[in-house]
Amino acid sequence: QVQLVQSGAEVKEPGASVKVSCKASGYTFSAYGLDWVRQAPGQGLEWLGWISAYNFNTKYAEKLQGRVTMTTDTSTNTAYLDLRSLRSDDTAVYYCARSGASGTYSLYDYWGQGTLVTVSS
Amino acid sequence: QSALTQPASVSGSPGQSITISCTGTSSDVGGYNYVSWYQQHPGKAPKLMIYEVSNRPSGVSTRFSGSKSGNTASLIISGLQAVDEADYYCASYSSRTTVLFGGGTKLTVL
Repeated sequence: QVQLVQSGAEVKEPGASVKVSCKASGYTFSAYGLDWVRQAPGQGLEWLGWISAYNFNTKYAEKLQGRVTMTTDTSTNTAYLDLRSLRSDDTAVYYCARSGASGTYSLYDYWGQGTLVTVSS
Repeated sequence: QSALTQPASVSGSPGQSITISCTGTSSDVGGYNYVSWYQQHPGKAPKLMIYEVSNRPSGVSTRFSGSKSGNTASLIISGLQAVDEADYYCASYSSRTTVLFGGGTKLTVL
């Protein structure tokens, strides 16, 4: 069965970086892409970006350009979200979600369990 | 770009039908048939309920359906059940921002 298992909760100080992982199993990793979506406490969902596990193409949300990098490791079927220069408003639950290999069209059929990232001094 | 517009809350009694709207623009909802709907229970990850405007994934109840007219998409839940009480989000492909989510709608089953 398809599973996306994310790394554990993180607490970071403002200005630091965080790297969240998402390990996939139960399907051919390189045949799909992965999107990252976050949810601040009590708020709605926010799209962060997409990476193709097929050709490593990426698209990022404009507001995060320059602070975010998404990568994949096909040897371990793992995707990574790297977010730098953290601010208090980056505090959120971060989700990975399976999408398409050639593009992302808001269709996410499997989701990770979420990773809480808390940014606080 | 701002999120897609959804009502903050809707409510209905068991057995009734409700509709949740999701309004965007011609650059997203109105321009493409790439609208999805997600159900999220507290503390859980979202679950795909409808994709490409009106398609239901395997395993999702036939009580859930979707439609679109112009720049507004709709999620219809018929035969409302207590288990349907959750937050619902629409999402759409956008030519400007790639993917946009709605602000979310809290469904209360009275």
